[in-house]
Amino acid sequence: QSALTQPPSASGSPGQSVTISCTGTSSDFGDYNFVSWYQQYPGKAPKLMIYEVNKRPSGVPDRFSGSKSGNTASLTVSGLQAEDEADFYCSSYAGSNNLVFGGGTKLTVL
Amino acid sequence: EVQLVESGGGLVQPGGSLRLSCTASGFTFSYYWMTWVRQAPGKGLEWVASVNQDGSENYSVDSVKGRFTISRDNARKSLFLQMTGLRAEDTAVYYCARRRDSSTLDYWGPGTLVTVSS
Repeated sequence: QSALTQPPSASGSPGQSVTISCTGTSSDFGDYNFVSWYQQYPGKAPKLMIYEVNKRPSGVPDRFSGSKSGNTASLTVSGLQAEDEADFYCSSYAGSNNLVFGGGTKLTVL
Repeated sequence: EVQLVESGGGLVQPGGSLRLSCTASGFTFSYYWMTWVRQAPGKGLEWVASVNQDGSENYSVDSVKGRFTISRDNARKSLFLQMTGLRAEDTAVYYCARRRDSSTLDYWGPGTLVTVSS
């Protein structure tokens, strides 16, 4: 049950695009398409931003998109806005009803 | 509106016990798997345990097996986490979350802080 690997930080200027990666093993991602991404502001609960690799819950801006290739999932934030500055976590179904999270990425809007 | 509210956190000595509760509203509680996730101070998220709709199946991370027990009471729309043998490394904010499929946690409570210290 090792954590998924995310870069500790990412940054971009307003209006730019930034991509955050999330790397696991075949036992984490496998053939599953159950990858989620969460946004968390300091002192607040995480909020679901992407589920099942590339689906957005109602209310999440379409500036947020997800993808997956092999054992790496990615979150892309397009048209960066100041309010996007937060921590982002990926997660994946890891089999046997286990769930694994990434270590988190702090996104800074320059 | 879906709401989840945790309670029961606090300061406990190493080796002690604590029972967390999560009260749900705004959805049919008995239809969903429920999950506990924790976050140590300044650290990332860690899945702790999940329970199925009727409480007959539960799963947990290796580090809490034998010490933590997840359960639920559908009549009271409540989720529980019984924690025993607490260690300093269990210090964290504990979140209750609704699970919509095999892994997606679509609603989260605000969390309750558990501090294990002498």
